[in-house]
Amino acid sequence: AQSVAQPEDQVNVAEGNPLTVKCTYSVSGNPYLFWYVQYPNRGLQFLLKYITGDNLVKGSYGFEAEFNKSQTSFHLKKPSALVSDSALYFCAVRDYTNAGKSTFGDGTTLTVKP
Amino acid sequence: GAGVSQSPSNKVTEKGKDVELRCDPISGHTALYWYRQSLGQGLEFLIYFQGNSAPDKSGLPSDRFSAERTGGSVSTLTIQRTQQEDSAVYLCASSLGGQGVPDTQYFGPGTRLTVL
Repeated sequence: AQSVAQPEDQVNVAEGNPLTVKCTYSVSGNPYLFWYVQYPNRGLQFLLKYITGDNLVKGSYGFEAEFNKSQTSFHLKKPSALVSDSALYFCAVRDYTNAGKSTFGDGTTLTVKP
Repeated sequence: GAGVSQSPSNKVTEKGKDVELRCDPISGHTALYWYRQSLGQGLEFLIYFQGNSAPDKSGLPSDRFSAERTGGSVSTLTIQRTQQEDSAVYLCASSLGGQGVPDTQYFGPGTRLTVL
């Protein structure tokens, strides 16, 4: 079975400060990891993914994430937060044996204050 | 280009009625997924279609839920004898697909279902 944990329901940062949204995962095989963002009353938008290769993945809107196999983590980061980054963020995992079925975390609400 | 579309955007129904939710995937995408997002919760996988293969129905919560995909394109999620606990936002996603390929899913805006 595969699972994802987002340990923080809420993350608050000041505009211009770095942000981190945490994600840890559990899969039986090689993990395929994704981050999505959801703005109010909107569907999910893809931010970035890790399939293989470099552990640091760069994505949309200046976001990046670091894959850490030993810690089974895939934390989302951004060097300088914007107020417009305020949204709900979801981490998701798939493994190769079940490529169609993604397991999502419960989401983390990011609030960036001016 | 056109993204994933879903209809209706909102649906209010009475307990015990049947409802149909529609999803139009991105043209050329062979994989289609349905998820349910309850208030304050993450996404719950419901069902996955890949081409002409038998769908993965392992996430359907009860036999009141069913889905079909006609002609490898449009999909309909049907909920029979709706219950109040079925109230949620139902999200559809599509991807290019292919066996074993962990490709990016593109989500529609969702259908908000309210069962009174």
